[in-house]
Formats: sequence, structure tokens, C-alpha cells
Amino acid sequence: KQEVTQIPAALSVPEGENLVLNCSFTDSAIYNLQWFRQDPGKGLTSLLLIQSSQREQTSGRLNASLDKSSGRSTLYIAASQPGDSATYLCAVRPVETSGSRLTFGEGTQLTVNP
Amino acid sequence: KAGVTQTPRYLIKTRGQQVTLSCSPISGHRSVSWYQQTPGQGLQFLFEYFSETQRNKGNFPGRFSGRQFSNSRSEMNVSTLELGDSALYLCASSLAGGAIQETQYFGPGTRLLVL
Repeated sequence: KQEVTQIPAALSVPEGENLVLNCSFTDSAIYNLQWFRQDPGKGLTSLLLIQSSQREQTSGRLNASLDKSSGRSTLYIAASQPGDSATYLCAVRPVETSGSRLTFGEGTQLTVNP
Repeated sequence: KAGVTQTPRYLIKTRGQQVTLSCSPISGHRSVSWYQQTPGQGLQFLFEYFSETQRNKGNFPGRFSGRQFSNSRSEMNVSTLELGDSALYLCASSLAGGAIQETQYFGPGTRLLVL
């Protein structure tokens, strides 16, 4: 059974700092991995999707990497801003299930202090 | 293009009642998935519908059910509500739910409180 873990559970940094969020998964048989952002009480916003054959994806100040063989992904946020404060979730789409079912980690709650 | 919409946004029910939540996917999307989010359990998969057929089901009791209409809109129903059903219910849509590069788009959620 696929399990996804995110470390740390919470992170507080000063504005302008570069930071890394970590995600690990137990079964490397995945189609893809997605990083989402969730603001308090709101839905999820997709940030980046990395296919299983890819190593990284970039969007603006965000860079996500994937090492499928070791079951790890990182989300790098450059020059953090207070507006980046949110919970960041990673999710994998396991090969063992059909369709679009995702398995989520518990999330990392990020606070960027002005 | 309009995003995923969910109605109602907030709901208060009492134990034993039933509730129906609605999700309208992005136009052209045929796959709709439902998730339950609670502080203790995180995001858990409920079920997925594609072309009016349930394609996947999570580990939830039979009190949780759903359906999808020909226009891809989906509803989920929870009967005999329990206090533990209090949660944020999220719906996600994607084009076909099968392509490797396919992104899923989430709605704002329905916040259900069971008293």
C-alpha cells in the first residue's frame, strides 16, 4: 500500500529565504507526482506535476524534483514571500490503481514572516 | 474557463440526517473524484467517476455513495450522518483521469459540520 510522508510538518522562515520541502513515498511504481498548495479552509491549487519519467519541473520561483527510485521529491521555493504562506501537499498517482486516484501526504504548513 | 464548482460551500447537519453534495467539473472534463479532508486523517480518497461509472472506490463505509450524470456533474451522498463525518469534502476533475501527464483540478470544497 502506497504511503506518502512529508517532512517537516511545519516550517517558519523569514521573507526572502530559499527553502526546501520534502516528500517521500514507499512504492516507486507511480505515474506522476503533484505538488499542491492549500490556503486555510480552501481547496487545492495545483503547482507542479512531474511525470514518472521526468526529473524536475519548474514554474516561476518553484522547482520540483523527483527521484523515483529512492521514492523522494522536493519542492524548492526561491526568495520566499509572505504570500507563499500556506500548506503544501504532495500526492502520487500509483500505478496499482486505475483512473486518477491520488495518495496524499499530510502536508507541510509553511509560514513566511515579513 | 470556469473552474470546478462545489455546492453548497457550508452545511450544518445533525447526527442521523443525510446530505447531498454537488460538484460541477471543468467544462470538457469527464473524470470526477471526491476526497474527504480532516485534521486527523488528512486527505482520503472516497471515489472516482468517469462517464457515469464508478471507476475507483476508497475505504469508506457504504453510507458514502455517489453518482455522475451525463453532463459529468457529480453528487455524493452521506446517509445516517455521524459526528466523525464532519470534514471538508473536496471534488477534483480531470479530462479523462488516465493520462500520465494529466493534472487534477480541485474545487473550493464543501465544509460539513455534523452536530
